[in-house]
Amino acid sequence: DTGVSQNPRHKITKRGQNVTFRCDPISEHNRLYWYRQTLGQGPEFLTYFQNEAQLEKSRLLSDRFSAERPKGSFSTLEIQRTEQGDSAMYLCASSTTISNQPQHFGDGTRLSIL
Amino acid sequence: SQQGEEDPQALSIQEGENATMNCSYKTSINNLQWYRQNSGRGLVHLILIRSNEREKHSGRLRVTLDTSKKSSSLLITASRAADTASYFCATILMEYGNKLVFGAGTILRVKS
Repeated sequence: DTGVSQNPRHKITKRGQNVTFRCDPISEHNRLYWYRQTLGQGPEFLTYFQNEAQLEKSRLLSDRFSAERPKGSFSTLEIQRTEQGDSAMYLCASSTTISNQPQHFGDGTRLSIL
Repeated sequence: SQQGEEDPQALSIQEGENATMNCSYKTSINNLQWYRQNSGRGLVHLILIRSNEREKHSGRLRVTLDTSKKSSSLLITASRAADTASYFCATILMEYGNKLVFGAGTILRVKS
């Protein structure tokens, strides 16, 4: 049983560097979501895709953030010119398009900005 | 912004006791979901309750939903040390598509 896979699990980088995270969803899931979670808080929605189309973006997703899902399978989230405030856990989830079905989460990528 | 609020923020109980966590939300929902998160890990889905349902059970878990009060509760019976985790409620808002809106969570510690 392959769940949602995220790589890398941890990323440490210097302020100003670019980082890219990858998410491989459950294979039959059309929808893919990105969330960000800071310490002591619940996850906050960033963006979601249905197949390769990016259907919604949060205002949290500044122009330094870009997400892609080029073939409707895996997705990447890139952060350019990282800032201290970008330090967080970045979670990916996937789901089917059937209503009232749960989202399944990966174990996240923890980003630390030095 | 966070939609739901969990109560209490933290709960410490002895193994074998029951744990009750509450969640309140602000706007109309399609469904409400409960997730568990162990330290440093992703979220694990526990139960989904639809807006037209009032109660749902899964093993040692019982979830209730009161749409008139915009609140839900999660009961874990006969708790175990392995239940130690953070618990989040999340809602799918009727007017906001498919994104989950989470509360800040309840940290549950079960002492053995």
